[in-house]
Amino acid sequence: NAGVMQNPRHLVRRRGQEARLRCSPMKGHSHVYWYRQLPEEGLKFMVYLQKENIIDESGMPKERFSAEFPKEGPSILRIQQVVRGDSAAYFCASSPWDEDEKLFFGSGTQLSVL
Amino acid sequence: AQSVTQPDIHITVSEGASLELRCNYSYGATPYLFWYVQSPGQGLQLLLKYFSGDTLVQGIKGFEAEFKRSQSSFNLRKPSVHWSDAAEYFCAVGASGGYNKLIFGAGTRLAVHP
Repeated sequence: NAGVMQNPRHLVRRRGQEARLRCSPMKGHSHVYWYRQLPEEGLKFMVYLQKENIIDESGMPKERFSAEFPKEGPSILRIQQVVRGDSAAYFCASSPWDEDEKLFFGSGTQLSVL
Repeated sequence: AQSVTQPDIHITVSEGASLELRCNYSYGATPYLFWYVQSPGQGLQLLLKYFSGDTLVQGIKGFEAEFKRSQSSFNLRKPSVHWSDAAEYFCAVGASGGYNKLIFGAGTRLAVHP
């Protein structure tokens, strides 16, 4: 049973480009969370999704950021018109249901904006 | 506001020595508390968690943590550190909402001398 898979591991973008980060949850998991880790900081909650639904996006910046978790395929975190301040490690986590206290984290995508 | 403070950014111990990593939290209700470990290039792995009951909780890899409500603390301990314990450790508190919307501390980086 593969763990939470994130790709790419490293992503380099120039300012103004788009970044698309992918997350495939563990098999059987229907809940996905995205967290962002800025340098020298802890992880910050961004968004919580279930299949085809955004449950809580209170941690998402109001502009340029969006997330989806379609019925088929991975969850996507999309950042439009990236800026240098978007450089961070983005972690995805999954759980089987929202009452389950255990999150399984992926290895993250390191986004670097030049 | 809910928050987690890890006062020690870096800690260095000798192999075989005991370890205590500090964590203080601010939370309005009874917290759900977690310790995660992150090895370089890896995702976060859950070491242990506290929800209720016995305030001394045992985790994986020989770690334990004690919840002290009066001190708003949840310190992580290990009696004898191994070189493989070198990693970054994150304390987290469960936020309101009933799901895995965690608030993380900034982390403590542990180095182990042979």
